[in-house]
Amino acid sequence: AQSVTQPDIHITVSEGASLELRCNYSYGATPYLFWYVQSPGQGLQLLLKYFSGDTLVQGIKGFEAEFKRSQSSFNLRKPSVHWSDAAEYFCAVGTGNNNDMRFGAGTRLTVKP
Amino acid sequence: NAGVTQTPKFQVLKTGQSMTLQCAQDMNHNSMYWYRQDPGMGLRLIYYSASEGTTDKGEVPNGYNVSRLNKREFSLRLESAAPSQTSVYFCASSLTVLGHYEQYFGPGTRLTVT
Repeated sequence: AQSVTQPDIHITVSEGASLELRCNYSYGATPYLFWYVQSPGQGLQLLLKYFSGDTLVQGIKGFEAEFKRSQSSFNLRKPSVHWSDAAEYFCAVGTGNNNDMRFGAGTRLTVKP
Repeated sequence: NAGVTQTPKFQVLKTGQSMTLQCAQDMNHNSMYWYRQDPGMGLRLIYYSASEGTTDKGEVPNGYNVSRLNKREFSLRLESAAPSQTSVYFCASSLTVLGHYEQYFGPGTRLTVT
């Protein structure tokens, strides 16, 4: 079965600084990869997804992620973080059906003024 | 357009009590899902309904039952709550079960079992 690891439980960055959140997956074939964001007390919102094609994916709120097959990674990046980006971020890997997704444990992002 | 709604938002149960969590979507989606979220573990799928009239087990179905009442509504029932079921429960929906289609999540129900 597929699995996903988010190595960083908590990251703190200063407002305006760049951000990279790490995600590593395990799956034998080409995975479906997702990044979700969860603000406090809210449900998850999809930031971006990768199925095939261009390995650099653009998402909402200025986020992007790059699929690197050789490293089994799908890291999330943002060039300049805003205070409103403080939230929990989840990476997920799927095999092609929504009932077969596996979520990482999440990375909590704190943004310093 | 409310998206995915869940009731209640919070609930405290005693061990052995039963309750039903309600979920409704107004996006005319065919597929609906129930997840639980526990600290340090991400989301895990409890049950899903690929289409009206069908339900299937997910990764962690033990202790739960579901009902797809109609295309809009998908309920999750705990027949005899246990402390291990203390969690935040999320309902989600998508146009179909295929992974190309985004899942839309409700705001969650925080359940505590004492």
